[in-house]
Amino acid sequence: DAKTTQPNSMESNEEEPVHLPCNHSTISGTDYIHWYRQLPSQGPEYVIHGLTSNVNNRMASLAIAEDRKSSTLILHRATLRDAAVYYCILQHTGNQFYFGTGTSLTVIP
Amino acid sequence: DAGVTQSPTHLIKTRGQHVTLRCSPISGHKSVSWYQQVLGQGPQFIFQYYEKEERGRGNFPDRFSARQFPNYSSELNVNALLLGDSALYLCASSSGVSNTEAFFGQGTRLTVV
Repeated sequence: DAKTTQPNSMESNEEEPVHLPCNHSTISGTDYIHWYRQLPSQGPEYVIHGLTSNVNNRMASLAIAEDRKSSTLILHRATLRDAAVYYCILQHTGNQFYFGTGTSLTVIP
Repeated sequence: DAGVTQSPTHLIKTRGQHVTLRCSPISGHKSVSWYQQVLGQGPQFIFQYYEKEERGRGNFPDRFSARQFPNYSSELNVNALLLGDSALYLCASSSGVSNTEAFFGQGTRLTVV
């Protein structure tokens, strides 16, 4: 399984941008980068995914380094509802996701 | 529209018993995947099925098996339960076999005593 490395925890003030980093130095050329988040007592929720170019959707932006060895999930204005564990995942084959331990995001009011 | 539904929501079993967990994917989705999430850890991939065929298997013992039915619903079976099988079992459905958004259910909380 391709590995990702994320900080265990991060804090952000409410209504400020949040940058969640992820290192994936062993990524292969065909691996997609996915981000999911998991709120307490719920299943994971899709956030965003990409291959090489930066991606934007209504929830977040994904910035991918030129060498693809790292990426950053950007939440433009953190809200209390964004407090969750965020997982950065490399998708190699099928929709088979190998989750790490993720980053626990705390949003401070 | 209904999301991914899993049953039962909670289950208590005794060591050595067998358990069957069920998952109904979102209507129109042909891929179902199963994950095990132990407390404090990220989900671990167990199986993926697409169009009733196994498309991937994670690093789990043969005590774990699954199948997908013609209506795309799926069952996860675990034999000879161990205490370490206690976990949240998550089902995810997606429209395609690869590189598509996966929708997760709320999971089945299995406790083995």
